[in-house]
Amino acid sequence: KAGVTQTPRYLIKTRGQQVTLSCSPISGHRSVSWYQQTPGQGLQFLFEYFSETQRNKGNFPGRFSGRQFSNSRSEMNVSTLELGDSALYLCASKPLAGVSTDTQYFGPGTRLTVL
Amino acid sequence: GDSVTQMEGPVTLSEEAFLTINCTYTATGYPSLFWYVQYPGEGLQLLLKATKADDKGSNKGFEATYRKETTSFHLEKGSVQVSDSAVYFCALSADSNYQLIWGAGTKLIIKP
Repeated sequence: KAGVTQTPRYLIKTRGQQVTLSCSPISGHRSVSWYQQTPGQGLQFLFEYFSETQRNKGNFPGRFSGRQFSNSRSEMNVSTLELGDSALYLCASKPLAGVSTDTQYFGPGTRLTVL
Repeated sequence: GDSVTQMEGPVTLSEEAFLTINCTYTATGYPSLFWYVQYPGEGLQLLLKATKADDKGSNKGFEATYRKETTSFHLEKGSVQVSDSAVYFCALSADSNYQLIWGAGTKLIIKP
């Protein structure tokens, strides 16, 4: 079974631009979560989508948004990029939402650099 | 709120040494506990997990026991290898919101 895939793997943008990252979950997984990883703040939860609906959201500004499609693929968008948005963005999938015992499976991440 | 505290790194050991990375948590109810590992330039891989008190998770020689009385989930390995060099993250998932709450990560360096 193929793992979680994320595209692109690397991105370089300038301040003020916007960016869209894509995530394809493991086949059959319907829950997709996004995390931001930075050296200073560590790993922080952005949001979770299940059945095309956002179920849960972390403490990030409205510039960070996402969506999920009917095939469970997900995208996240960051508008008006700031230098502090430079990070590794990780996507994770699991079969269902609302089950704390389930393992989340992570993709390789998208490395975003904002200049 | 829920939180995870890990010992700070880096932890430097010689090959074949015994490893312990401490992890304690604060959570209401009965969270599930996880150890993930991140190798350089890669995403996160599940190493092991435990979903209820006294459960022991194990994988690739690593073990951790869910201790509710001490709210701990320490990671151990009897004999580390150079290939174990990575960053290790302790995390919990609670029924309050199901997202993963992460520790800060512990960088492990194994010298031959």
